[in-house]
Amino acid sequence: SQTIHQWPATLVQPVGSPLSLECTVEGTSNPNLYWYRQAAGRGLQLLFYSVGIGQISSEVPQNLSASRPQDRQFILSSKKLLLSDSGFYLCACVSASSGNTIYFGEGSWLTVV
Amino acid sequence: AQKITQTQPGMFVQEKEAVTLDCTYDTSDPSYGLFWYKQPSSGEMIFLIYQGSYDQQNATEGRYSLNFQKARKSANLVISASQLGDSAMYFCAMREGPGTGGFKTIFGAGTRLFVKA
Repeated sequence: SQTIHQWPATLVQPVGSPLSLECTVEGTSNPNLYWYRQAAGRGLQLLFYSVGIGQISSEVPQNLSASRPQDRQFILSSKKLLLSDSGFYLCACVSASSGNTIYFGEGSWLTVV
Repeated sequence: AQKITQTQPGMFVQEKEAVTLDCTYDTSDPSYGLFWYKQPSSGEMIFLIYQGSYDQQNATEGRYSLNFQKARKSANLVISASQLGDSAMYFCAMREGPGTGGFKTIFGAGTRLFVKA
């Protein structure tokens, strides 16, 4: 079965600093990958999704970017963080082996101070 | 455009009773999937149940069942015999078919369920 690893689990960063969150998937190939953000006590907002290496679709204009350098690697980045970037970030995956189900990583708590 | 609506920000239920969490959706794609996830305070997202748009029967998984009413575009989650461990945030989600590219999945705002002893 597939496993999604996401790190770091917790991050406190000053405003204006860069960000890199990494997500890797094991146990499957050619997955569709997603980055979601969840503000405190709120629902999930889809930020980016990718159907293959180098293919990124952005859902909302924002201060963040995503990259997919390898089939099972998805990276969320920012050059200069804003206070509003704080939240809980979740990497997710859909693949042929998961059928119709989207599975999530453990999540990364980002606090911008 | 896709849309998922959960109108109940919070719900209370007595332990051992059943509870229904509401979800309505909107899509123009005839092929779609509906999901429910549970998010406890730890933050992890736990998959509960799935319903395909062409499925004839309502999905069931243990104490969870999905009341799928396609004409009304609703996909309510029913939890039977509530347990204290069911207290959590519950999200309804929808994914459209391959025609939209990427199997994009969107989520509702969530319903926080409180189970009382």
